[in-house]
Order: sequence, then structure tokens, then C-alpha cells
Amino acid sequence: NAGVTQTPKFQVLKTGQSMTLQCAQDMNHEYMSWYRQDPGMGLRLIHYSVGAGITDQGEVPNGYNVSRSTTEDFPLRLLSAAPSQTSVYFCASSGLLGSNYGYTFGSGTRLTVV
Amino acid sequence: EDQVTQSPEALRLQEGESSSLNCSYTVSGLRGLFWYRQDPGKGPEFLFTLYSAGEEKEKERLKATLTKKESFLHITAPKPEDSATYLCAVQARGPRNTPLVFGKGTRLSVIA
Repeated sequence: NAGVTQTPKFQVLKTGQSMTLQCAQDMNHEYMSWYRQDPGMGLRLIHYSVGAGITDQGEVPNGYNVSRSTTEDFPLRLLSAAPSQTSVYFCASSGLLGSNYGYTFGSGTRLTVV
Repeated sequence: EDQVTQSPEALRLQEGESSSLNCSYTVSGLRGLFWYRQDPGKGPEFLFTLYSAGEEKEKERLKATLTKKESFLHITAPKPEDSATYLCAVQARGPRNTPLVFGKGTRLSVIA
């Protein structure tokens, strides 16, 4: 099925551990982004990319790294997990010049850091 | 700085009781205003895009309208299956796809 695929769906980490959240899209979208969603805070942008090899920071980038080696994939790396990174993470994609649909979202990764 | 404020935070309606959700925004040149629906445990799902003041879009029991400062999502004769969180987002004009800025959402509960 065409769309944005996120893995894993659920993850529990211990403080200080590292991990990578995977995001893949098969719509040939140039633009990809990561948001986190917390109760009462809404969706906040972490990092985004306008194409392979190009990334930029969003509103809350600290503690996260990204890279974009292919059009299809945009992984999000947590270098040393902290309890404050407990959240639901969404990956989203769009055509480079925008889309009448805004973004297409994945189904999310629910991360708990203990 | 682009900002989006949604009200109310939560809304509880009886089935058939029509109401409206509000999205106020400030943006440096609006490319588009987007409404999404989000069900628990799922990613946001696209509903509407509005581009200019005066524009309206409809889908089943939902109608979205846009002015220069705010958008409304009108829900006519809602049903329990309309229960969800409704998100509003704005996108500023730019040479490339600028990031969407989201509001915190309105959590709608429709009681049978």
C-alpha cells in the first residue's frame, strides 16, 4: 500500500540507550519530516528534509539526529535517550512544492524512556 | 513567527447537536490552511485545504471556512463516529515546501 511506513510501532528504552526510528515512503516525495506529539503540546517539528542529502532543524531538534541518503528513507536517531523524549513520533511526507493534501502521515511510533 | 490557536480544547456534543471548531492563525503569507482528523493511536488524516479568504469546502457533515485571521470547522448533526481530535495547520508561502505549523487540536466527543 502506498504511503508512509514507520517502524517500530512501540518501543521502550532505558535512559541513555540509543535507537533509530525508521520512516519510509513510496510516493517519491521529496519532502519528509519528523514531528513529536505530546499531550497539551500538539505536533512539534523535530527535523525535516527537502531532498536527499539536505536536512534542517525544526522547533525541537535537541537530542535527535537525522540523515537523508535516499528519497525514500528518513530515519530519526536518538543518541542518548532521556525520559523527556517519551512521546509519540510521526513521520510525514509531501511533494517538494507542496501538496493540496498537506502532508501524508505515518501511523506513529510510541516511545517510552524509563 | 507563525502561530495557530485552536478552541475549544475539548467539546462534548449530543448526537445531532451542531457546532463549530475555531482555528485562529498568524502567518507571514498563507499558502494553505489544512484540517486533519486524528483518531486515537493513529496518524492525522487529511480533511480539507483552504487557500484564500472566503473559500469553503464540504465533506459529509463537515464544512470548513476561511477568513484572513481564522478558520472554522462546522459540524452539522454530528454522529458518534465523528468523535476524534481535529487538527488545524498553516503553511506559509516560500520557494520550497515550508513546514506546516500545527495547533494543539480540539478533542471532539459525540454522545449517542
